Amino acid sequence: AQKVTQAQTEISVVEKEDVTLDCVYETRDTTYYLFWYKQPPSGELVFLIRRNSFDEQNEISGRYSWNFQKSTSSFNFTITASQVVDSAVYFCALSKEANSKLTFGKGITLSVRP
Amino acid sequence: SQTIHQWPATLVQPVGSPLSLECTVEGTSNPNLYWYRQAAGRGLQLLFYSVGIGQISSEVPQNLSASRPQDRQFILSSKKLLLSDSGFYLCAWSVSSVTYEQYFGPGTRLTVT
Repeated sequence: AQKVTQAQTEISVVEKEDVTLDCVYETRDTTYYLFWYKQPPSGELVFLIRRNSFDEQNEISGRYSWNFQKSTSSFNFTITASQVVDSAVYFCALSKEANSKLTFGKGITLSVRP
Repeated sequence: SQTIHQWPATLVQPVGSPLSLECTVEGTSNPNLYWYRQAAGRGLQLLFYSVGIGQISSEVPQNLSASRPQDRQFILSSKKLLLSDSGFYLCAWSVSSVTYEQYFGPGTRLTVT
């Protein structure tokens, strides 16, 4: 069975601080896919990134970066110089193959104060 | 570009009443379609998914059902709502060929009273 754990439930930072959102996953599959989604107050989930299990290269996109480590089964997400617009619930998710169901973590509520 | 629509945006229904939520996708053909529910407490749970017209897989036994009468239309229904059906219902789609991301609609907030 697959499982995604987001141990942090709520994080509050002041604008311009860096913040890391943790994600730990469990799976028996050798091939799997990891995702991060953002859910702003409007409710719609916005896709941020996908990582394949065979690609451990870290990725940076503007102020966002992701650290994938198979050795610790973690896929952490860092926001550098946070902004108020980053305030949202962030979900980490796991799937075992293309187009299969996503197993979500419970989400982390990030509040960025001005 | 592809877009996904859901309606209604919000709904308040009494216990025991029927339910019909609709999801449509534009700009793609033969998408995979999904219904998720997000209950208070934030977790998202997959309810149904469909790989084609008339093909529905159920993930969780419940009093809800889903149908796919057209290629890009996905409907979530119930004959009699329960209080526990309250939540935020999200429809998602993905390209049926080799792709991995699911893209979500704006959601329907259902309150059963």
